[in-house]
Amino acid sequence: DTEVTQTPKHLVMGMTNKKSLKCEQHMGHRAMYWYKQKAKKPPELMFVYSYEKLSINESVPSRFSPECPNSSLLNLHLHALQPEDSALYLCASSQAIGLQGARGYTFGSGTRLTVV
Amino acid sequence: QKEVEQNSGPLSVPEGAIASLNCTYSDRGSQSFFWYRQYSGKSPELIMFIYSNGDKEDGRFTAQLNKASQYVSLLIRDSQPSDSATYLCAVNTRGGADGLTFGKGTHLIIQP
Repeated sequence: DTEVTQTPKHLVMGMTNKKSLKCEQHMGHRAMYWYKQKAKKPPELMFVYSYEKLSINESVPSRFSPECPNSSLLNLHLHALQPEDSALYLCASSQAIGLQGARGYTFGSGTRLTVV
Repeated sequence: QKEVEQNSGPLSVPEGAIASLNCTYSDRGSQSFFWYRQYSGKSPELIMFIYSNGDKEDGRFTAQLNKASQYVSLLIRDSQPSDSATYLCAVNTRGGADGLTFGKGTHLIIQP
């Protein structure tokens, strides 16, 4: 299995809603990431999990809350989002980190989020 | 602050020709370098990665790295219309622990 699976593929939510994005991989990767991508912009790093521990939070607002229940799963909990949070949310995974660096990410297909 | 620079394009290349995509980076501590292809509305797809100075070839794709000049490029030979996409250059430091930093991407158009 060489895939990263993200659900749902599309999500429309109101500003008072609570929702969660899910990401799953079964490649034995020990690093997992959340990225946000706006239209015609590159992906922007949000969170990095290494061995199920949060290692990087790129000053993301608290209305985004990541969770890594186990080595295969990564969640992103959403609460009280703003319309400007509408974007493509990408999950990625990579092999355990080392001196030679991650051998590239495997990206999921993303969740297209619209906040109304 | 880590920066990755790319010409946003669009870069228009005739079918069958060589497409040359360029990228510079600011952090001399960068250790590994990646090229991703992204079709509109889709997620990025890894095309090539390179760690050492010089060339690395994979099929129609060649990645070139010059750490002294902080420059990485991607050559696509025998360009096909299906190669039309946005190509993202990405770099990392600290062995990948801090995630990849992406350039803004170059929009490539292959003209039939």
